[in-house]
Amino acid sequence: NAGVTQTPKFRVLKTGQSMTLLCAQDMNHEYMYWYRQDPGMGLRLIHYSVGEGTTAKGEVPDGYNVSRLKKQNFLLGLESAAPSQTSVYFCASSPGGATDTQYFGPGTRLTVL
Amino acid sequence: LAKTTQPISMDSYEGQEVNITCSHNNIATNDYITWYQQFPSQGPRFIIQGYKTKVTNEVASLFIPADRKSSTLSLPRVSLSDTAVYYCLVNAYSGAGSYQLTFGKGTKLSVIP
Repeated sequence: NAGVTQTPKFRVLKTGQSMTLLCAQDMNHEYMYWYRQDPGMGLRLIHYSVGEGTTAKGEVPDGYNVSRLKKQNFLLGLESAAPSQTSVYFCASSPGGATDTQYFGPGTRLTVL
Repeated sequence: LAKTTQPISMDSYEGQEVNITCSHNNIATNDYITWYQQFPSQGPRFIIQGYKTKVTNEVASLFIPADRKSSTLSLPRVSLSDTAVYYCLVNAYSGAGSYQLTFGKGTKLSVIP
């Protein structure tokens, strides 16, 4: 099992560009999450999904969109990147409710110039 | 949104017991407390989860007092490989498939030989 994988590992964008981060899990988990991690801020939840075809907002959803068209994939989109979105993005999944153990991917380091 | 507070950093000598406390004074009755460990350039990894009183597994113990306004992660006899950042997470279910997941800002533990 690969667990949770994230693509790409690194990316540099210019302000105003768009991109999509892909998260994939092979554990048949229902729940998936996107977090951002900034120095001194810990992890903050952007969006999450409680199952295929569903998404919900987390603590810091502005400027991001997500889609969960397939159970194993959770996409995070930035329509018009801003320097404030420079961060490390982590995807996670859990079997059932959000009280379950979350399994994290290795992260994507995004820099917006 | 639950607010969590952790010490920014701690130092410990090898072989000592380390206790890291997380304050979460507005936690709800059904919220769970989870602790994660993170090494540089990796995603967080589950350590332990609890709801009340004491939970122990092969790597750590978690103490949650009756008022549940704080929780303490206890690492017995730490080694150099325990040097990492430790995060507490309040897992809150607010009904109708809606969750609030609030991570602390992390405690950087440095183990000294």
